[in-house]
Amino acid sequence: GAGVSQTPSNKVTEKGKYVELRCDPISGHTALYWYRQSLGQGPEFLIYFQGTGAADDSGLPNDRFFAVRPEGSVSTLKIQRTERGDSAVYLCASSLRQGARDTQYFGPGTRLTVL
Amino acid sequence: KNQVEQSPQSLIILEGKNCTLQCNYTVSPFSNLRWYKQDTGRGPVSLTIMTFSENTKSNGRYTATLDADTKQSSLHITASQLSDSASYICVVSANSNYQLIWGAGTKLIIKP
Repeated sequence: GAGVSQTPSNKVTEKGKYVELRCDPISGHTALYWYRQSLGQGPEFLIYFQGTGAADDSGLPNDRFFAVRPEGSVSTLKIQRTERGDSAVYLCASSLRQGARDTQYFGPGTRLTVL
Repeated sequence: KNQVEQSPQSLIILEGKNCTLQCNYTVSPFSNLRWYKQDTGRGPVSLTIMTFSENTKSNGRYTATLDADTKQSSLHITASQLSDSASYICVVSANSNYQLIWGAGTKLIIKP
């Protein structure tokens, strides 16, 4: 595809459930980022992958959050024991390389609602 | 502390009018500044990127300016269209750092 895609576009779940959010980056982009965006706020950094490895996961709020990128392309963000405070739009972005000058291209996001 | 502040928080203007959005930052060391447009329910899309040595950058009806001395940037939109209704987010990168420091955005509404 031409851009970053994310599935599902919307996810409604109950408190305590497990969810997986998927990101397909632009083909050939080695860097992949996950962000979380609450209403009226800018995106909040969660985790960054360079290839298959998580180069920086300092933004993950707690150990209920985990992300993988096993083949260096598609990534999955996993949230265990969801809480109402996890409700937000989860954005994925990719860039050709990592670095301050590389533009990050964003997907449309997954809107997660925890009831 | 690295921060990006934007003003106004929201803005309503009539179609065809011009407007200017402001961004102040305290990010050091500075690498570049981007303006992103985010439509409701969509991911952010990059409009412009400026490095330390660039004072102005245009993208169609969008013109961004940067004053690295005062650490201020502005985004000017000319002859606004209904499709310009969106949030405009100022984002600053520190040197050699992929992490972006995001402003909270300005919500722009264009009315016919």
